[in-house]
Amino acid sequence: DARVTQTPRDKVTEMGQEVTMRCQPILGHNTVFWYRQTMMQGLELLAYFRNRAPLDDSGMPKDRFSAEMPDATLATLKIQPSEPRDSAVYFCASGLASGVEQFFGPGTRLTVL
Amino acid sequence: GEDVEQSLFLSVREGDSSVINCTYTDSSSTYLYWYKQEPGAGLQLLTYIFSNMDMKQDQRLTVLLNKKDKHLSLRIADTQTGDSAIYFCAVSGGYNKLIFGAGTRLAVHP
Repeated sequence: DARVTQTPRDKVTEMGQEVTMRCQPILGHNTVFWYRQTMMQGLELLAYFRNRAPLDDSGMPKDRFSAEMPDATLATLKIQPSEPRDSAVYFCASGLASGVEQFFGPGTRLTVL
Repeated sequence: GEDVEQSLFLSVREGDSSVINCTYTDSSSTYLYWYKQEPGAGLQLLTYIFSNMDMKQDQRLTVLLNKKDKHLSLRIADTQTGDSAIYFCAVSGGYNKLIFGAGTRLAVHP
């Protein structure tokens, strides 16, 4: 049963600390998305990769957030330094560029104190 | 930019039909989606409809699309307690991006 995996599932950290979230897309999928979900803003697209290249990261605060795909099986989202307003659930999704569907991971719940 | 709106809450009795509505602004969206989110879980794709269709049925789910009014609806027949969740409407933007509504919380009571 192929699925998107995300680690960690929960992360509590203090303001100013670096946070790294990881995502393993479904094998063979060549598009990866990072979304952030908060009560106030709902689901927001942060970044989008196709064939490991970033196509759109306009939704991401550039000064503290960075997203990469070191290889086809790993996508990372890093926040440095973290702030309390970054507290949210971060979802990774993957799909095929030629496809219609995006498959979501279970999310990483981030709490910044 | 694209805007997707949904009502925030819907309460139905078990066994009744539920209808969740969504409006959007970008008429160029190719695909329109319904996702379900249960507490503490990720989003699960329920169904989607291509923009040149006006209806799609999948077991208990019926999706209606009115392109003229930019209105999408999801009907769940014979609603069960297991259907209690948040339902998100989403439309496709450029580069396969999804633009989500705020979600409708469906509560099913006996």
